[in-house]
Amino acid sequence: KAGVTQTPRYLIKTRGQQVTLSCSPISGHRSVSWYQQTPGQGLQFLFEYFSETQRNKGNFPGRFSGRQFSNSRSEMNVSTLELGDSALYLCASKMMTEGGEAFFGQGTRLTVV
Amino acid sequence: GENVEQHPSTLSVQEGDSAVIKCTYSDSASNYFPWYKQELGKRPQLIIDIRSNVGEKKDQRIAVTLNKTAKHFSLHITETQPEDSAVYFCAACRGGYQKVTFGTGTKLQVIP
Repeated sequence: KAGVTQTPRYLIKTRGQQVTLSCSPISGHRSVSWYQQTPGQGLQFLFEYFSETQRNKGNFPGRFSGRQFSNSRSEMNVSTLELGDSALYLCASKMMTEGGEAFFGQGTRLTVV
Repeated sequence: GENVEQHPSTLSVQEGDSAVIKCTYSDSASNYFPWYKQELGKRPQLIIDIRSNVGEKKDQRIAVTLNKTAKHFSLHITETQPEDSAVYFCAACRGGYQKVTFGTGTKLQVIP
């Protein structure tokens, strides 16, 4: 079956703009989590959605938001972009079973100039 | 919140030698510890995981050990091969995977 799909793969934005990233989970997976990956900070948890509800949130400012649709697809939005937001944004989907494996997408490489 | 420290940040070994990566966590409620491998330009992929009711788990050349008392867990790779070269991330999770904190990663280089 198809894996986790993230679009777009690459994005260049200007400071102050906003951006929306999309994640389509594996069919049947209802949990979607988002992560920011930077060389210095590694993988940092942004938030997790399950059944259209945000279940957990990491330590990121309110400029970072997300949502999940009834088909489990998820979007992440970053408003008022800053240079430090340049990173690889990964999403991962899971069936939402205890200890189950999370499958990652290829990521969206965001560059803020 | 949970804090996961991972060491070393870089590791170079000769092909055939063993590699060990260590992680410590702070939240005693964490009960699930996956390890991910991320090759250059690719997505992280689960290679092995361990639950808090198990002390050790092995899968071919890869093993993970967990010491709940000391709150640390380690990844052991034996007979390393060049294709083991990648960045490895540990993670500590509560509630299965509801609250997950990743380590900062270890870049492993296996020298042929």
